[in-house]
Amino acid sequence: DIQMTQSPSSLSASVGDRVTITCRASQGISYSLAWYQQKLGNAPQLLLHTASTLESGVPSRFSGSGSGTDYTLTISGLQSEDFATYYCQQYFSTPQTFGQGTKVEIK
Amino acid sequence: EVQLLESGGGLIQPGGSLRLSCAASGFTLSTYAMSWVRQAPGKGLELVSGINTRVVGTYYADSVKGRFTISRDNSKNKVDLQMNSLRGEDTAIYYCAKFVGGSYHDPFDLWGQGTLVTVSS
Repeated sequence: DIQMTQSPSSLSASVGDRVTITCRASQGISYSLAWYQQKLGNAPQLLLHTASTLESGVPSRFSGSGSGTDYTLTISGLQSEDFATYYCQQYFSTPQTFGQGTKVEIK
Repeated sequence: EVQLLESGGGLIQPGGSLRLSCAASGFTLSTYAMSWVRQAPGKGLELVSGINTRVVGTYYADSVKGRFTISRDNSKNKVDLQMNSLRGEDTAIYYCAKFVGGSYHDPFDLWGQGTLVTVSS
């Protein structure tokens, strides 16, 4: 199975901050990388796929980049509604695997 | 409205069985691969099982292989997960999730609200 290592596991930030979350795969996944947002008590929601393609309806302050084994989610100008847990997921091979999550908290 | 609605969760004793069901609406289920993803209390996400459009293509996590069975009934627009020989470590919220396309090489673009399974004596 491909292991996904996400960092940091948590971070504190203020409204308006730029936030970066990284995800490293144990082998190359050829841009087959998605990011999800999960708010407390709710199901995850797809934010980006194919490493950098924004899902319909997702604000443009979310962006993704990366290639090979290393990928990044950036939130440019954190908003109050962005405080949540974020997960990366590789779908290059079965089983699809998730990172352990990054909890974004209010500073 | 496009949505997934899970049912069938509850409190069950170790060794018992439960059958979860996921009702799809607003789209043609037969076109998409489907899956069950679980989240233990305070933990991350784990893909439990998947079924592609050809039905014969199923996937199970090692932790549930031989105990869980996924099935789909496209005529009824639903996907089920039969869970047998349940253990305490199976306690989790179980989400039904839809792949973007017909295979496993896609992300999940639609999730249900989840159903809680608690395995305890």
